[in-house]
Amino acid sequence: DAGVIQSPRHEVTEMGQEVTLRCKPISGHDYLFWYRQTMMRGLELLIYFNNNVPIDDSGMPEDRFSAKMPNASFSTLKIQPSEPRDSAVYFCASSIQGAETQYFGPGTRLLVL
Amino acid sequence: LAKTTQPISMDSYEGQEVNITCSHNNIATNDYITWYQQFPSQGPRFIIQGYKTKVTNEVASLFIPADRKSSTLSLPRVSLSDTAVYYCLVGERNTGFQKLVFGTGTRLLVSP
Repeated sequence: DAGVIQSPRHEVTEMGQEVTLRCKPISGHDYLFWYRQTMMRGLELLIYFNNNVPIDDSGMPEDRFSAKMPNASFSTLKIQPSEPRDSAVYFCASSIQGAETQYFGPGTRLLVL
Repeated sequence: LAKTTQPISMDSYEGQEVNITCSHNNIATNDYITWYQQFPSQGPRFIIQGYKTKVTNEVASLFIPADRKSSTLSLPRVSLSDTAVYYCLVGERNTGFQKLVFGTGTRLLVSP
């Protein structure tokens, strides 16, 4: 299996622009997680899905952030409009029901100028 | 979710055994203890998980005393490639997965 796939790996954009991050979880995994990592705040859970349904979005910082999972093999995290403080590495992870581990993707490094 | 405390950094040399201790005084009955490893520019990677006593896999061992208020990750004979940040996490699994709350982690530097 190719593991969790994220795209793009790097994104540079200007303040006010819309940013869309993409994730393909490992086939067969029924949980999908979006995390954000910064030097100041460490690694934070933003939202997670179970069987394509958002379960807990309490970690989403603002209404500017939204996430969707239209099917079992694809999810997006959108920021609109983006701000410089959104600059971070965004990770997607997936896991199987009852599993002891989450598998993380390589991350998307976002820089908002 | 139980809060964890671990050293900010540790230094070691190749071939040595490294023990990283994590304190989790408020651990709950349903909580499991999990360790993740993160290399620069990569996502965290699962190392080991345990509930009590000792767990060993091909990568590490995890020692958990009877009161479960702390745990120790043991890395035998480290190499340069073990230089990474190690996170100790505590959380319950009875919801179908373990909600991960990452702290600051322990930055391990292995030198020749």
